[in-house]
Amino acid sequence: GDSVTQMEGPVTLSEEAFLTINCTYTATGYPSLFWYVQYPGEGLQLLLKATKADDKGSNKGFEATYRKETTSFHLEKGSVQVSDSAVYFCALSRDDKIIFGKGTRLHILP
Amino acid sequence: NAGVTQTPKFQVLKTGQSMTLQCAQDMNHNSMYWYRQDPGMGLRLIYYSASEGTTDKGEVPNGYNVSRLNKREFSLRLESAAPSQTSVYFCASSRDRGLDGYTFGSGTRLTVV
Repeated sequence: GDSVTQMEGPVTLSEEAFLTINCTYTATGYPSLFWYVQYPGEGLQLLLKATKADDKGSNKGFEATYRKETTSFHLEKGSVQVSDSAVYFCALSRDDKIIFGKGTRLHILP
Repeated sequence: NAGVTQTPKFQVLKTGQSMTLQCAQDMNHNSMYWYRQDPGMGLRLIYYSASEGTTDKGEVPNGYNVSRLNKREFSLRLESAAPSQTSVYFCASSRDRGLDGYTFGSGTRLTVV
């Protein structure tokens, strides 16, 4: 069945470092792809999305490109801040619902 | 602008007790979902309602029931709580069956002792 695999954390970086969180998916057809962020004690918030191959989603300095040939949707940010510390979830839409990866916890050190 | 509202935020139950988790959305969304979140497991879909009047099982439906009361409200019921149901429960809604993403509630932290 369809699934999402993302790198295990925690990922610890210093402020202003470059961030990459890897995400690959298995699916038939062309699902929509998403990144969600969860801050401590809160629900998930949609960070960005892409609905077709080669689309780039972006928001708050984060970017991810829908790569059909490598079935990937890696999350990147050029310069992270302490406030980016959170759990990040990669996800895909399929048959009326969304399938989530297990999440990657990100710690940013000042 | 409330979005998705879940009640209660916290609950402690004894094994065998029952309870209903409430969820309401004010965005006129068609689809609603219940997930549970456990450490190391990500989010797992319990039940969903693609549109008013329909409900379907997700990945982990055992021990739960749902009711789509109207377009706004989607409740989750635990008939006889078990310690394995200790989790954080999230309700979500979507305008178009998840294609544009979900809006999540802030969660209910449930402990079964």
